[in-house]
Amino acid sequence: GNSVTQMEGPVTLSEEAFLTINCTYTATGYPSLFWYVQYPGEGLQLLLKATKADDKGSNKGFEATYRKETTSFHLEKGSVQVSDSAVYFCALSDLSQGGKLIFGQGTELSVKP
Amino acid sequence: GAVVSQHPSRVICKSGTSVKIECRSLDFQATTMFWYRQFPKKSLMLMATSNEGSKATYEQGVEKDKFLINHASLTLSTLTVTSAHPEDSSFYICSARLAEAKNIQYFGAGTRLSVL
Repeated sequence: GNSVTQMEGPVTLSEEAFLTINCTYTATGYPSLFWYVQYPGEGLQLLLKATKADDKGSNKGFEATYRKETTSFHLEKGSVQVSDSAVYFCALSDLSQGGKLIFGQGTELSVKP
Repeated sequence: GAVVSQHPSRVICKSGTSVKIECRSLDFQATTMFWYRQFPKKSLMLMATSNEGSKATYEQGVEKDKFLINHASLTLSTLTVTSAHPEDSSFYICSARLAEAKNIQYFGAGTRLSVL
């Protein structure tokens, strides 16, 4: 079945450091890929998405490229801020499976001043 | 656009009581809503898929008599935790999607349920 695997956290960085959170997926069809962010005590916010191979999603300085050849969708940001501290979830949605979202386990990011 | 409101944000109840959580799509019609449960420092677990005007589809291992879901209109779905017990304490999150964009879900802010 479909699945998503993320790098384990927590990830601790200093402000202005470069961020990479790895995400790989397994899917039988042609899924759409997402990154969601969850701030403490809140629900999930869609950060960015990509719907087909080679698409690049970007938002708020974050970006991720849908790589079909490596089945990956790694999240990157060139210079993190303290306000980026949150839990990040990689997810896929496969319409052939009813469009259910399948989440990775989440990666906690802590950015120190 | 695409705002989902979830209420209440936090509820504390006594063991044995029932609790209702509402999920509303404020500026769009949601033919499908989803209910998730999230344990501390864990990912989201899909509990059920709720389609307007029909019975919810529950994931394996989720008790349908324990977690009652009603989706009576295109903008409202409710989750009722019946006869709540301390083990039901958790963070419950709903999401909704538009009929024309089945691969995108918009999430509510979540409800923290604490059962004493």
